Amino acid sequence: AQSVTQLDSQVPVFEEAPVELRCNYSSSVSVYLFWYVQYPNQGLQLLLKYLSGSTLVKGINGFEAEFNKSQTSFHLRKPSVHISDTAEYFCAVSDRNQGGKLIFGQGTELSVKP
Amino acid sequence: NAGVMQNPRHLVRRRGQEARLRCSPMKGHSHVYWYRQLPEEGLKFMVYLQKENIIDESGMPKERFSAEFPKEGPSILRIQQVVRGDSAAYFCASSPYMDSNQPQHFGDGTRLSIL
Repeated sequence: AQSVTQLDSQVPVFEEAPVELRCNYSSSVSVYLFWYVQYPNQGLQLLLKYLSGSTLVKGINGFEAEFNKSQTSFHLRKPSVHISDTAEYFCAVSDRNQGGKLIFGQGTELSVKP
Repeated sequence: NAGVMQNPRHLVRRRGQEARLRCSPMKGHSHVYWYRQLPEEGLKFMVYLQKENIIDESGMPKERFSAEFPKEGPSILRIQQVVRGDSAAYFCASSPYMDSNQPQHFGDGTRLSIL
């Protein structure tokens, strides 16, 4: 069965510093990859997705992620974070052969300090 | 607001009661997914429905939980005889097509508390 591992449960960082949130998934023939952000007491908002093509994907709010098939990773990065980026971030995969259900990682809490 | 609407936002039940959670998908979306988020955990898939059909219920507990998405009206997640362990946030998501590359749009969730 497909699984997703987010290696860091909490990432504290200072404002304007770069950040990387790590995500690894179990090997599969073909998957689609997503990053979602969740602000307190809200639902999930799509940051970016990888379907095919270029392995570097750009999303909203200045975030980007790189798909690495050999390492089965899809790490999320931002060169300079803002206080408003403080939130929970979830990596998710969708197996092309199992309909649209998403398999989520455990989440990474990003805390941006002034 | 044309987004995914869930109600109620907060629901409190006593052990043994029934909980009904409602989800209206985005306009034009006919596919609905339910996920459960336990405290300090990620979201876990429960069930995937299309209008009047359950497509995948592999994540649903075997007992007490059921879901429907009728031809008219919202999708309903029903939990009978609730127990403390059912306390969680329940999220609904919708998409326009049955295609795993379609991003799902999420509601703000229903936070269920069992006394």
